[in-house]
Amino acid sequence: DGGITQSPKYLFRKEGQNVTLSCEQNLNHDAMYWYRQDPGQGLRLIYYSQIVNDFQKGDIAEGYSVSREKKESFPLTVTSAQKNPTAFYLCASNLGEYQPQHFGDGTRLSIL
Amino acid sequence: KQEVTQIPAALSVPEGENLVLNCSFTDSAIYNLQWFRQDPGKGLTSLLLIQSSQREQTSGRLNASLDKSSGRSTLYIAASQPGDSATYLCAVRPNNDYKLSFGAGTTVTVRA
Repeated sequence: DGGITQSPKYLFRKEGQNVTLSCEQNLNHDAMYWYRQDPGQGLRLIYYSQIVNDFQKGDIAEGYSVSREKKESFPLTVTSAQKNPTAFYLCASNLGEYQPQHFGDGTRLSIL
Repeated sequence: KQEVTQIPAALSVPEGENLVLNCSFTDSAIYNLQWFRQDPGKGLTSLLLIQSSQREQTSGRLNASLDKSSGRSTLYIAASQPGDSATYLCAVRPNNDYKLSFGAGTTVTVRA
């Protein structure tokens, strides 16, 4: 079955540590996105990528980094510079910029 | 900046009642509007997508309407069932950008 796989489902970060969230898709989609979801708020865009080896900052990119070395993969690193990383992180992809976005099941990040 | 609002934040209805969920947006220059469902701890599932030129879109018991000039969309769910219990989010895409703006969602509980 085609879809988006996010791992791990739960992740804990120690102070000063960088952590990486995985997002893999086998939908052959060109565009991929990372969102952050906080309770009572809408999703906010962190980073997005329209093609391999290219990505753009979203609305809340500070403290995060990404790479897009393969079409199928778009990992997100939450760096120690992100002072409030506790949230639910969602990865999405779509075939073209105006096509519906498909979402993974998310990673919940907490602070130890 | 596009602002998307969903009111109420939560509602509870008895099984069999029709559900009416509201979404309002401040900038009417949209390309499309999408309704999503989110189950607890899960990602988003696309329900309906309405292009700006359309007035409504239907899928089974779901019907979504769009009034672009007044900045409103409504999602109707007929004859609600306990399995419809979830959070419903709307998202709009502007004409000149492919970034979505999300509402915070309405959490629905259907009582058996």
